[in-house]
Amino acid sequence: SQTIHQWPATLVQPVGSPLSLECTVEGTSNPNLYWYRQAAGRGLQLLFYSVGIGQISSEVPQNLSASRPQDRQFILSSKKLLLSDSGFYLCAWTSGSTDTQYFGPGTRLTVL
Amino acid sequence: QKEVEQDPGPLSVPEGAIVSLNCTYSNSAFQYFMWYRQYSRKGPELLMYTYSSGNKEDGRFTAQVDKSSKYISLFIRDSQPSDSATYLCAMSGVSGGSNYKLTFGKGTLLTVNP
Repeated sequence: SQTIHQWPATLVQPVGSPLSLECTVEGTSNPNLYWYRQAAGRGLQLLFYSVGIGQISSEVPQNLSASRPQDRQFILSSKKLLLSDSGFYLCAWTSGSTDTQYFGPGTRLTVL
Repeated sequence: QKEVEQDPGPLSVPEGAIVSLNCTYSNSAFQYFMWYRQYSRKGPELLMYTYSSGNKEDGRFTAQVDKSSKYISLFIRDSQPSDSATYLCAMSGVSGGSNYKLTFGKGTLLTVNP
């Protein structure tokens, strides 16, 4: 069966510090991968998606970036965090034959 | 007009009640409809997946799609306190597309009181 991991689970960072969140998927190959941010009252905001290694599509302009160095690894980064980057970050995957996305446990980021 | 509208609630019901959760949408290209359940501080989990119009039942849960009205519903029978969560609707237009992006509602917060 497929499993999706995210770490860390919780993170508190000062404004201006760098960020690296990691997501890995097990039990599948060549998944589509997604990064979302969920802020209170704003629903799920799609940040990036990837259909293959090195292929990243950005949905919104921001100070975040994403990379996919391996087939089942997706990384969300920032060089300098802003207060507005606080939120719940979710990674999701889907196979190549269905629309249903499966979410990881999430990372709660607080920028102070 | 937003692509997907979902009443955020909160919705509070007594244990054993029938719960009705709804979403409306504006894009007639949507064909695939999902409901996710999200417990506090957890990732969303897939509850139901339906294609086009009609009903789908899974235990106490029934998903209903009315494409002519651009309206989808999730019914929960014999609701339990463990059903207390945020329920998100999601939909997409083209299966087999290269990116499988979903459009989500903002979620409805449900509390089932014992």
